[in-house]
Amino acid sequence: EAQVTQNPRYLITVTGKKLTVTCSQNMNHEYMSWYRQDPGLGLRQIYYSMNVEVTDKGDVPEGYKVSRKEKRNFPLILESPSPNQTSLYFCASSPLQGVREKLFFGSGTQLSVL
Amino acid sequence: DAKTTQPPSMDCAEGRAANLPCNHSTISGNEYVYWYRQIHSQGPQYIIHGLKNNETNEMASLIITEDRKSSTLILPHATLRDTAVYYCIVWANYNQGGKLIFGQGTELSVKP
Repeated sequence: EAQVTQNPRYLITVTGKKLTVTCSQNMNHEYMSWYRQDPGLGLRQIYYSMNVEVTDKGDVPEGYKVSRKEKRNFPLILESPSPNQTSLYFCASSPLQGVREKLFFGSGTQLSVL
Repeated sequence: DAKTTQPPSMDCAEGRAANLPCNHSTISGNEYVYWYRQIHSQGPQYIIHGLKNNETNEMASLIITEDRKSSTLILPHATLRDTAVYYCIVWANYNQGGKLIFGQGTELSVKP
């Protein structure tokens, strides 16, 4: 089944403890991206990647890192999480060939930083 | 990157058509209009997209004005399951850039 898989689904951590949220897609998509969603603010893009080893900042990259060493994986890294990074996070992927460049989203990761 | 403007909320009676407007007055020639919806806190789901012609699929219809500065998503016979937040975004084709701006969307409430 074609899908974008995020793990974990829920994560509670403490300030300053490094964490990684994984994202994997099995559709051979070139494009992958991360979003955070906060009440009243909609979806805001954190980082995106157009292909392996190619990443760029979205609207709210501060406090986050990403890497794209393989086409299928795009982990989101919080080196020193802070309470203001408590949010619902989504990973998405899309092909970059052809007209139908629709995004496929994961199920989300609810992160709480205490 | 073009931005979109949507009303924050709308109501619709069950069985009636839901017409959700979107303004994208700064859209450029190579940018498509996409609509997604998000039910509760699930991952957003693709609905439809278009460039300049009207489009229809099994879920909805998309009407884009001739000047492409606005569009309307039409759910022809809204059901309670269509209650969701609907996002209108614009995005260029191919390798024109990966930055996406979603905005806050329209919260559609379908009422019995």
